[in-house]
Amino acid sequence: DQQVKQNSPSLSVQEGRISILNCDYTNSMFDYFLWYKKYPAEGPTFLISISSIKDKNEDGRFTVFLNKSAKHLSLHIVPSQPGDSAVYFCAASSPTGNQFYFGTGTSLTVIP
Amino acid sequence: DTAVSQTPKYLVTQMGNDKSIKCEQNLGHDTMYWYKQDSKKFLKIMFSYNNKELIINETVPNRFSPKSPDKAHLNLHINSLELGDSAVYFCASSQNGVSPLHFGNGTRLTVT
Repeated sequence: DQQVKQNSPSLSVQEGRISILNCDYTNSMFDYFLWYKKYPAEGPTFLISISSIKDKNEDGRFTVFLNKSAKHLSLHIVPSQPGDSAVYFCAASSPTGNQFYFGTGTSLTVIP
Repeated sequence: DTAVSQTPKYLVTQMGNDKSIKCEQNLGHDTMYWYKQDSKKFLKIMFSYNNKELIINETVPNRFSPKSPDKAHLNLHINSLELGDSAVYFCASSQNGVSPLHFGNGTRLTVT
């Protein structure tokens, strides 16, 4: 039972354009959402997060949007750079749990 | 200074053997985790542990056991290895079990 889903396994974007990565979740108790970035042969590294009391959080080129009614969040990267090429994981947790649930990741390729 | 380090990076072994993966964090976090990334790239929690409580994912076979000699270490012992145990295992830590996870670089286990 996968509670966090990333339905696009891959995405290619031209350098300078916007990258939009999507994530859906099923558990309405989730109240904290994160995006991680992973390069080959490395562990995931934390990128940006959002609490359920917000619908948007911005950090430089990265913005996460949360739509609670649709149980959907997205990560926008503007402008995209070749160094952004990586696998991006969405994750979620609930206040009652002591764990994070991860999606299966979206591989982003930014074409120079 | 590596925040979360795990060894070895690669582990190749035969079915039936017993092996251990070590993990250490120097972040002063109170909660540590083991995640398994299977062939479908799904990151699934195996254990979470702080100095008070071990939470085990019920789907994890009892051949897997975490051992924590102190707050900064959480090792993973695996007995009677099976082919299906082949995966990448990630150690992670967080503060209070809710802040973003910090991951190690993973251990790729191959069982032949």
